[in-house]
Amino acid sequence: AQSVTQLGSHVSVSEGALVLLRCNYSSSVPPYLFWYVQYPNQGLQLLLKYTSAATLVKGINGFEAEFKKSETSFHLTKPSAHMSDAAEYFCAVSDSGSGGGADGLTFGKGTHLIIQP
Amino acid sequence: GAGVSQSPRYKVTKRGQDVTLRCDPISSHATLYWYQQALGQGPEFLTYFNYEAQPDKSGLPSDRFSAERPEGSISTLTIQRTEQRDSAMYRCASSSGPGSSYEQYFGPGTRLTVT
Repeated sequence: AQSVTQLGSHVSVSEGALVLLRCNYSSSVPPYLFWYVQYPNQGLQLLLKYTSAATLVKGINGFEAEFKKSETSFHLTKPSAHMSDAAEYFCAVSDSGSGGGADGLTFGKGTHLIIQP
Repeated sequence: GAGVSQSPRYKVTKRGQDVTLRCDPISSHATLYWYQQALGQGPEFLTYFNYEAQPDKSGLPSDRFSAERPEGSISTLTIQRTEQRDSAMYRCASSSGPGSSYEQYFGPGTRLTVT
């Protein structure tokens, strides 16, 4: 079984400040890891994914995440927050990358990112 | 199509009624997923299709829930005898193939409210 824990249901940062959204996972096999963003009234959009290649993954809109196996973490960061980054962010895990076949993603509960002007 | 679409976007129904939700995936996509997202939670996997085959129904919460994709394109999710606990956002996603090496593209969701 796999699970995802996102620390902090709400995170507030000032515009221009560092964004750090935390994600810890559990998986019995090497995982695939994902970050999705959801803007109001829209579907989830993939920000980035880790698929066992480079541990530092760069995504869209200046976001990146680092896979740390020893810490079972995949935290999302952005050096300088912009007002347009305000949204809900979801971390997700899948083990189908190593096991083959298709299964659904297992999502965390999400973190609402608030940008203060 | 240009993206994944879902209809209706909002549905209010009375307890005990049946509802059917529709998903139009990206036209070239073989694989289609259904998720349920309760308020304040992340999406939870319900089931998926590879073309018209439905290899995994493990996430369906009860036998009141069923899904179809008879021609391998449009899919419907039907909830019979709805209960208040079925109130949630229902999300559909499609991908060009099965497995996590293929990106899942999500639709805007259908917000279901059971009164």
